[in-house]
Amino acid sequence: GQQLNQSPQSMFIQEGEDVSMNCTSSSIFNTWLWYKQEPGEGPVLLIALYKAGELTSNGRLTAQFGITRKDSFLNISASIPSDVGIYFCAGPPGYGGSQGNLIFGKGTKLSVKP
Amino acid sequence: SQTIHQWPATLVQPVGSPLSLECTVEGTSNPNLYWYRQAAGRGLQLLFYSVGIGQISSEVPQNLSASRPQDRQFILSSKKLLLSDSGFYLCAWTGVNYGYTFGSGTRLTVV
Repeated sequence: GQQLNQSPQSMFIQEGEDVSMNCTSSSIFNTWLWYKQEPGEGPVLLIALYKAGELTSNGRLTAQFGITRKDSFLNISASIPSDVGIYFCAGPPGYGGSQGNLIFGKGTKLSVKP
Repeated sequence: SQTIHQWPATLVQPVGSPLSLECTVEGTSNPNLYWYRQAAGRGLQLLFYSVGIGQISSEVPQNLSASRPQDRQFILSSKKLLLSDSGFYLCAWTGVNYGYTFGSGTRLTVV
């Protein structure tokens, strides 16, 4: 079945640094979603992308829908300690998948040193 | 506005005991509802989903079951818990768009 591969699996960065992570698939996705999960909480939707090439920002976060429709990128500028958490990419399967069920990547765990 | 409630927040249960986790959604009708499990703070494993009352689809055969007795209520159950059932359980719903809204989760520890 379709899978989403996220990298890196984990990141340890210094406060103030920029962060980049990505999500790739061997199949085309028509929607890309980025979630953040803080410790002990459920994931929260950060950014939704609906069009190839689309670049969308949410504060210090910027996400891009790859033009091949097989990847997406999330960047965080000037990281702060509250950016800590697990970032998941997700998307609905293109063809033949379960009705409306998102596919999630395994997540990128971000740690920020003050 | 739509809200999702999940309880309890934490639960410690002995092996062999029953389980019932409840999730309710407010402010919407006929949502798709989901139960996920997350082990060790990593990936999300889809357990069950429901597109309507009484309609349950299981993604992974296991010791758990789900029920949807009302439009906005989703219940995760087990007759006899195993140690391997420990984890973080998340309920989620989606309406017309694909963006899922997750509950705050239940941390289950089976001892």
